[in-house]
Amino acid sequence: KQEVTQIPAALSVPEGENLVLNCSFTDSAIYNLQWFRQDPGKGLTSLLLIQSSQREQTSGRLNASLDKSSGRSTLYIAASQPGDSATYLCAVISSGSARQLTFGSGTQLTVLP
Amino acid sequence: DVKVTQSSRYLVKRTGEKVFLECVQDMDHENMFWYRQDPGLGLRLIYFSYDVKMKEKGDIPEGYSVSREKKERFSLILESASTNQTSMYLCASSLSPSGIMWFFGPGTRLTVL
Repeated sequence: KQEVTQIPAALSVPEGENLVLNCSFTDSAIYNLQWFRQDPGKGLTSLLLIQSSQREQTSGRLNASLDKSSGRSTLYIAASQPGDSATYLCAVISSGSARQLTFGSGTQLTVLP
Repeated sequence: DVKVTQSSRYLVKRTGEKVFLECVQDMDHENMFWYRQDPGLGLRLIYFSYDVKMKEKGDIPEGYSVSREKKERFSLILESASTNQTSMYLCASSLSPSGIMWFFGPGTRLTVL
């Protein structure tokens, strides 16, 4: 059964820093990996989706990479801002269960002004 | 933009009540999902549906049922609410299972007294 782990569980950085959030998954047979953002008490907003054949995706200050063979993904946030404070979740769709997203437990990011 | 809406943001019910949570998406998506989110446990899949009148159990279906009479609407039913069903409930939809982004609703925070 696919398991997704995110490290660290919480991260606090001063404004302007570049930072990296980590995600690992146990089964490398995936269709894609998706990063989400969740603000307190709210639903999830999709940030980036990486297909299994891709190595990275970029959107503005966000860059997500995927190393399928090692079961790892990173989300890089450049020049962090207080508005980036949220919980970031990664999720994978495994080849064996193509309709199900398996989520990590998230990294709670706080960017201090 | 895809919109996924949920009928209530906050709901308070009593033990034993029958509870209906409604989810509607406006982009003709085939696949719809119900998750619950709890601190320390992350998001867990309750039920999903890949077509009208079709449904499949997720990881934690006990105590829940679902209904999908129309493509755009997916309902989660708590036949007899219990206190351990107090949680944040999130609905999601996607066009195809593997290659397209998933979209989440804003969530319903259910409290069962």
